[in-house]
Amino acid sequence: GAGVSQSPSNKVTEKGKDVELRCDPISGHTALYWYRQSLGQGLEFLIYFQGNSAPDKSGLPSDRFSAERTGGSVSTLTIQRTQQEDSAVYLCASSLHQGLEQFFGPGTRLTVL
Amino acid sequence: AQSVTQLDSQVPVFEEAPVELRCNYSSSVSVYLFWYVQYPNQGLQLLLKYLSGSTLVESINGFEAEFNKSQTSFHLRKPSVHISDTAEYFCDSSVGMIYNQGGKLIFGQGTELSVKP
Repeated sequence: GAGVSQSPSNKVTEKGKDVELRCDPISGHTALYWYRQSLGQGLEFLIYFQGNSAPDKSGLPSDRFSAERTGGSVSTLTIQRTQQEDSAVYLCASSLHQGLEQFFGPGTRLTVL
Repeated sequence: AQSVTQLDSQVPVFEEAPVELRCNYSSSVSVYLFWYVQYPNQGLQLLLKYLSGSTLVESINGFEAEFNKSQTSFHLRKPSVHISDTAEYFCDSSVGMIYNQGGKLIFGQGTELSVKP
């Protein structure tokens, strides 16, 4: 069975550009999470989806960050007008139901020049 | 507020020596506790978890952790490490679904375990 996949694996962009990061969770997993891993901040929670709704967006750092999930499956994290401090590895995880074990994808390494 | 503290950022150890990676949590409510491992150039993998029941939990590769409520700790131990255990280890907590928190993980800062021959 396939695990959580993320694309692209690496993304280099210029400051001010918009980027989209994609996450394909494990089939049948209802809960989906986005985290960010950066040198200065460690691992931080960004947003959580249950189905297609996002009950907890408390970790999104600014209104430049948004995410959606469609069909209870694929999720896209969008960062508008990227800044250098957005450079990090963005991790996606899914779980069968909220509160259970989370399975992580390999991450997308974002570099903002 | 919920938080997790890993007391050591780096732990160097020789092969076949015992190791303990320390983790303390802070929460006003009951929590679930996890250890995740990240091997070089790989994604995060669950190592072991405490949800309820026995306070001593074990992984398939010889690690164990003990939930100690009075000391609010969840230290990770292995009696004899291998070179292949070299990785970064994260201690995490979650309040699960009980408080409508969705089970998001609160991560510690991570501990780099470096096993030398």
